[in-house]
Amino acid sequence: GAVVSQHPSRVICKSGTSVKIECRSLDFQATTMFWYRQFPKKSLMLMATSNEGSKATYEQGVEKDKFLINHASLTLSTLTVTSAHPEDSSFYICSARLAGGQHFGPGTRLTVT
Amino acid sequence: QKEVEQDPGPLSVPEGAIVSLNCTYSNSAFQYFMWYRQYSRKGPELLMYTYSSGNKEDGRFTAQVDKSSKYISLFIRDSQPSDSATYLCAMTPTNTGNQFYFGTGTSLTVIP
Repeated sequence: GAVVSQHPSRVICKSGTSVKIECRSLDFQATTMFWYRQFPKKSLMLMATSNEGSKATYEQGVEKDKFLINHASLTLSTLTVTSAHPEDSSFYICSARLAGGQHFGPGTRLTVT
Repeated sequence: QKEVEQDPGPLSVPEGAIVSLNCTYSNSAFQYFMWYRQYSRKGPELLMYTYSSGNKEDGRFTAQVDKSSKYISLFIRDSQPSDSATYLCAMTPTNTGNQFYFGTGTSLTVIP
């Protein structure tokens, strides 16, 4: 089946620093990727839709200058959390759009101290 | 009213039981329906993908769609402790669009 990887799986950073999370489709090309945020025992919250070669579409309430998304190739999308603060601590999950739905990565746990 | 409603549970069953997980929805335009399984601290894993009404079976899992009632179900036969996870339903109007609607997830525990 379709495989999506994320790196890193876990990251701890200091407040004020930036963190980049990579999402890769390993065995297929993904024109569209999605970025989600998930709080403990809560459902997925869509942050943005990322299309290869164009600007991402952000959901209402998501700061595009804080959560920078780049989708420069058909197999890689990156999410950069800029000037991270403790309230940005969360589980970030990407997914890739295929004809059979979405295929999710394993997630990245971000902790900002 | 939310687009997709799903009972969050938690649901606890003994090993070997048949589990029924359900979602209801309000938008009759939804045509494609998915079930995901999410283990704690992991990304969701696609279990079943169905189109329109009807049943689809894959091993111990059966997905059922009733478009007339706007109701979808996932049945798990002979449930195992390894089935303990959160199950998310999702749906979308088209096979190529980017509008997906997720349920909030049902937490399932299968007791040995």
